Amino acid sequence: ILNVEQSPQSLHVQEGDSTNFTCSFPSSNFYALHWYRWETAKSPEALFVMTLNGDEKKKGRISATLNTKEGYSYLYIKGSQPEDSATYLCAFYPGAGSYQLTFGKGTKLSVIP
Amino acid sequence: SAVISQKPSRDICQRGTSLTIQCQVDSQVTMMFWYRQQPGQSLTLIATANQGSEATYESGFVIDKFPISRPNLTFSTLTVSNMSPEDSSIYLCSGGLAYTGELFFGEGSRLTVL
Repeated sequence: ILNVEQSPQSLHVQEGDSTNFTCSFPSSNFYALHWYRWETAKSPEALFVMTLNGDEKKKGRISATLNTKEGYSYLYIKGSQPEDSATYLCAFYPGAGSYQLTFGKGTKLSVIP
Repeated sequence: SAVISQKPSRDICQRGTSLTIQCQVDSQVTMMFWYRQQPGQSLTLIATANQGSEATYESGFVIDKFPISRPNLTFSTLTVSNMSPEDSSIYLCSGGLAYTGELFFGEGSRLTVL
């Protein structure tokens, strides 16, 4: 059973603050690490698909880094806005004929105006 | 990217009844999957929907409880049979690209079983 852990479980920040959270995953049999944003009553939306050790990806104010050797990824949000309030999920993808993503429980971010 | 339409978006059901959730994808994704998120838990894969054949179920999920159909590349249904309150969850349909595993999700069906 693959173990994908996310921390913290929930987070409250003031508008304008920067924040980050963590995803840890197995460092063996790695193919890709995914980040999704899930807003209430909407579909989970893919943010990043990360495959290479040392990868850093950016989308507007959101960025993510990847360390496959030690099995962790960080998601950063710069200057949080109320519209960033959502649950952020990471998912481990082993590839190699397995099409199953293993998700963490998510970090629920609330940005207070 | 793919747009995935799922219905119903929510329902309140009585114990012992069954409910079928429909999923339509607007383009031909490689894979289609059904996930469940119980309160406070991770998104958990129920099964892979295979076109024209029986779905592939994950450990802990069986066809009698969660029959799945996929008659063509872009449509699938999940039935939650003989529901109990423990089946109260969000059920999500997703379409995936096999190369990267990236998933596109429907908006989910929130089921409450009384």
